Amino acid sequence: QSVLTQPPSVSGAPGQRVTISCTGSSSNIGAPYDVNWYQHLPGTAPKLLIYDNNYRPSGVPDRFSGSKSGTSASLAIAGLQAEDEADYYCQSYDNSLGGGVFGGGTKVTVL
Amino acid sequence: EVQLEESGGGLGQPGGSLRLSCAASGTLFSNYGMTWVRQAPGKGLEWLSYIDSFGGTVYYADSVKGRFTISRDSAKKSLYLQMNSLRVEDTAVYHCATVPSGRYYGDNWGPGTLVTVSS
Repeated sequence: QSVLTQPPSVSGAPGQRVTISCTGSSSNIGAPYDVNWYQHLPGTAPKLLIYDNNYRPSGVPDRFSGSKSGTSASLAIAGLQAEDEADYYCQSYDNSLGGGVFGGGTKVTVL
Repeated sequence: EVQLEESGGGLGQPGGSLRLSCAASGTLFSNYGMTWVRQAPGKGLEWLSYIDSFGGTVYYADSVKGRFTISRDSAKKSLYLQMNSLRVEDTAVYHCATVPSGRYYGDNWGPGTLVTVSS
């Protein structure tokens, strides 16, 4: 059971917009600690997509955007592309645990 | 750009020990906090351990507290994870990552090293 809750999967057709939710609590997202998002293909290095709720590292397309409100956050992928098929994880800090926490991950499928 | 490469994975016995290393290049290693994250087969990412840039603040997830020890050697630009009292459930790919000062995210990641715990 992950501290942060994500849907197991989302899917969309090429060009569509999909969103992934991430729900936490008053000891993490709602504390409020920032939310970060990663893209991961198993067997490879995870890639930081969004940091501090809504900032993109250099090189990340602006099709990816993040937002946060209260105890929840979301990642949006606009103009879905085949290369976006991957697992996506939200992550924050939890003050009751004293360290970082991840969501369970969401598999994005491009139909 | 930071490059990270983990090593030291392999087959470990239940109750045994392994030591993972993470070598950094192309960066001011001493400026970064560092973290270990793992992914067990069929599972998601798990934040395991963190050490700040000075080596004075460390964090462990409950799942490894008392069994794993994180350390760093800034002169060698290396991060370590001493894994003792191994359990079958420690089987996973272990990644290291740099953590910007004052932040809680990993901005540069290694490809990981596989640890298999089995008798």
